[in-house]
Amino acid sequence: EVQLVESGGGLVQPGRSLKLSCAASGFTFSNYYMAWVRQAPKKGLEWVATISTSGSRTYYPDSVKGRFTISRDNAKSSLYLQMNSLKSEDTATYYCARPNFDYWGQGVMVTVSS
Amino acid sequence: EIVLTQSPTTMAASPGEKVTITCRASSSVSYMHWFQQKSGTSPKPWIYDTSKLASGVPDRFSGSGSGTSYSLTISSMEAEDAATYYCLQRSSYPLTFGSGTKLEIK
Repeated sequence: EVQLVESGGGLVQPGRSLKLSCAASGFTFSNYYMAWVRQAPKKGLEWVATISTSGSRTYYPDSVKGRFTISRDNAKSSLYLQMNSLKSEDTATYYCARPNFDYWGQGVMVTVSS
Repeated sequence: EIVLTQSPTTMAASPGEKVTITCRASSSVSYMHWFQQKSGTSPKPWIYDTSKLASGVPDRFSGSGSGTSYSLTISSMEAEDAATYYCLQRSSYPLTFGSGTKLEIK
């Protein structure tokens, strides 16, 4: 059974950093691109980042480019999202997902507030 | 960036009623994908590659379209179909979602 379990969320002050993790199981992690998607409270879905199988290629929307970094550890079947210079508008539930979005994690909440 | 415009934003349908949700892209895309989300839960894949139903999706759902115009149709609304539906294009980066259509049961 495919499982994606996010962790690392919480309350953080504006301008600070936070790193999210996603533990994958039930499939050969190293064979798949992976992605992060977020959803602000009572808002729609926003794609945040995608990473290639080896990690050599990464993709971001302008809203997070230069502040967020997606990475992976294939040996640990884990996906990460390093979030720097956080803003209040980054407050959201963050989901990790396979690149076809056929499987999603349960999501982890990040609140950016002073 | 390809902007996806969904309509309507919200709607209510009676049991048995036919429902159509549209998603228009600002530029042509190869396929459209749809997700269903109920309050407090993760999105679920619903329709992929424009017209293929994800596992477990009832066959009263269908998807169609091409180019810049796509739609999700429910042939006969049921109470369990009340949810928010999002379209997604993966044809080019940045990946973009529609703003969502909240479907309620009358």
